Amino acid sequence: GESVGLHLPTLSVQEGDNSIINCAYSNSASDYFIWYKQESGKGPQFIIDIRSNMDKRQGQRVTVLLNKTVKHLSLQIAATQPGDSAVYFCAERARGGGADGLTFGKGTHLIIQP
Amino acid sequence: EPEVTQTPSHQVTQMGQEVILRCVPISNHLYFYWYRQILGQKVEFLVSFYNNEISEKSEIFDDQFSVERPDGSNFTLKIRSTKLEDSAMYFCASGPSNRDEKLFFGSGTQLSVL
Repeated sequence: GESVGLHLPTLSVQEGDNSIINCAYSNSASDYFIWYKQESGKGPQFIIDIRSNMDKRQGQRVTVLLNKTVKHLSLQIAATQPGDSAVYFCAERARGGGADGLTFGKGTHLIIQP
Repeated sequence: EPEVTQTPSHQVTQMGQEVILRCVPISNHLYFYWYRQILGQKVEFLVSFYNNEISEKSEIFDDQFSVERPDGSNFTLKIRSTKLEDSAMYFCASGPSNRDEKLFFGSGTQLSVL
């Protein structure tokens, strides 16, 4: 079946460097994508979202890029800090009426090295 | 900032027992969700709830599961006869009226079935 997945399970970067977390999706009906951050023992925390009519969206130190041609989503974190260490999930929501649930990817564990 | 509140944070139960997980969504939200996360795995959608009825449910959400919004503020997930494989972290989430907007997740209830 169609699913959202991540390329790398673990990513280690030096504090202060930029990081890029990638996500592939296969559901062509998806029109909305979200990145969540999950720290140990906590629930997913919203980072940034993007609709399918956009290619790029920027937040504070974060940028999400969407390439619909190859069904690829990425999260860029600039000037990483120790507090950025967490598991990052991409999630998609398919087009349709009603309250539809999100489909989460497997997650990438980002480790910030001091 | 408003938040989704879940109780209890940990629940231990014997196989075959009934459990009720409780959630207080953000007060002006209209869409409510339950997700679960088995240790080390991705977050999985269980059910969505809108206008006092289930909008969508996944294959996981079988006849042993039910949801209720008994009093306009609480949102509960009941598992009638727990199985060992129900052991997981259960997250409640809520969203505002626009289904495309970000979901807010609670910190979760860790359910352990012995």
